[in-house]
Amino acid sequence: AQTVTQSQPEMSVQEAETVTLSCTYDTSESDYYLFWYKQPPSRQMILVIRQEAYKQQNATENRFSVNFQKAAKSFSLKISDSQLGDAAMYFCAYRTPTTSGTYKYIFGTGTRLKVLA
Amino acid sequence: NAGVMQNPRHLVRRRGQEARLRCSPMKGHSHVYWYRQLPEEGLKFMVYLQKENIIDESGMPKERFSAEFPKEGPSILRIQQVVRGDSAAYFCASSPGTLGYSPLHFGNGTRLTVT
Repeated sequence: AQTVTQSQPEMSVQEAETVTLSCTYDTSESDYYLFWYKQPPSRQMILVIRQEAYKQQNATENRFSVNFQKAAKSFSLKISDSQLGDAAMYFCAYRTPTTSGTYKYIFGTGTRLKVLA
Repeated sequence: NAGVMQNPRHLVRRRGQEARLRCSPMKGHSHVYWYRQLPEEGLKFMVYLQKENIIDESGMPKERFSAEFPKEGPSILRIQQVVRGDSAAYFCASSPGTLGYSPLHFGNGTRLTVT
C-alpha cells in the first residue's frame, strides 16, 4: 500500500535559521509527484513546492527546497532563513496515477513548525 | 479570484440533523476531492468525483455519508444523522484532472461542529 510518513509531529526553529522537515513514502510506482503543502492557522492549504519523480534535480522555490532521494523514498523540505510567517502545519503528499486514468493523493500526518523569535 | 470556494465556513448541527457542505471547484477544473481533517491530524481522503461520476469513494463511510458532483452546480458532501464524531474540518480540493503536473487546489474548508 502507498503510504506517506512524517515522523516529526512538531519542530521548532529560531527565526533566520534553517530547518528540515522529513518525509518518507512507500510505493512501487516509478512515475509520481510529490508535494509539500503548508497549512497556517487560517486552515488554508497552500502549495509550497512540488517534485516530479522522474527529475533528478531537487526543486527549489525561493527559501524552500527539497532533498529528493528516490531510491531511499525520501522527500525532505528545507526552509532557509525561517520567518515567523513560516509557522504552520506542513503536509507531505504523494500523487500517483491509478489504473483507471485518475489520480490518488495521499497525505502524511503533518509536522507542526514553530518559529521562535 | 476563481479559487476553490467552500461554504459554509462554519456549520453547527445538532446530533441527528443533516449537514450539507458545498464546494465549487476552480474554473476549468472538473475533478473534486473531499478530505476530512480531525483536530491535530492529517488529511484523510474521503471521495473523488468527476462531473456526474464518483471515481473513488473508498475513504467514505458506507452509511450516512454521500457525495455528488452534478453537471451544473457545486459538489455536495452530505452527512445524514450527524454524530459528535463527525465534528471535523472538511476540505474540498480540485484539479483539472489532465495528465502531467496538476496539483490540488484547496478551498478554505468547512468546520463542522456537532452538538
